[in-house]
Amino acid sequence: AQTVTQSQPEMSVQEAETVTLSCTYDTSESDYYLFWYKQPPSRQMILVIRQEAYKQQNATENRFSVNFQKAAKSFSLKISDSQLGDAAMYFCAYSEGETSGSRLTFGEGTQLTVNP
Amino acid sequence: EAGVAQSPRYKIIEKRQSVAFWCNPISGHATLYWYQQILGQGPKLLIQFQNNGVVDDSQLPKDRFSAERLKGVDSTLKIQPAKLEDSAVYLCASSFMTGSPGNTIYFGEGSWLTVV
Repeated sequence: AQTVTQSQPEMSVQEAETVTLSCTYDTSESDYYLFWYKQPPSRQMILVIRQEAYKQQNATENRFSVNFQKAAKSFSLKISDSQLGDAAMYFCAYSEGETSGSRLTFGEGTQLTVNP
Repeated sequence: EAGVAQSPRYKIIEKRQSVAFWCNPISGHATLYWYQQILGQGPKLLIQFQNNGVVDDSQLPKDRFSAERLKGVDSTLKIQPAKLEDSAVYLCASSFMTGSPGNTIYFGEGSWLTVV
């Protein structure tokens, strides 16, 4: 079974600085998708960024970017110019797409605190 | 575009009682998911529907949990009888169609259940 591991239960960053959240995963598949979701206290999961495994180029969405290392099965999220609104729980997630019906397997989450 | 709607948002029940949660997915989304998120953990898939058929219910505790999706639109998740360990947030999510790799999955705000 596929597993997703987030080794940092908590992280903190100063406003306007950069922080990197780590994620590793285990799979025997070659074609899959990886995601970072943000979950504020309201508990709604909000998609931050996604990466297709067959693409070598790292995905970027404004201040959010990933470092995808397929051989190492690593998928980290970098948040630049951190803002107070970035404070939330962040989940790394994996999906195989066609073989699993796109359902997500989540890590345990990293609680991000942004200090003013 | 309206998002995934869930109700009730909050429910407190005593153990051995029953509870039902309702979900209305985004219009046109064929795939619907129910996830259970226990405090401090990542969400775990309970059941996945494609239209009104079950794609995966391998993680659903069938002795107490049931779910249906009549007419391929709304869905109801029921717990009977509830146990203390069922205290969690129940997240409903939907996506356009199963089998499209990397489908974006949209989540509702969740239904918070406390069993006392």
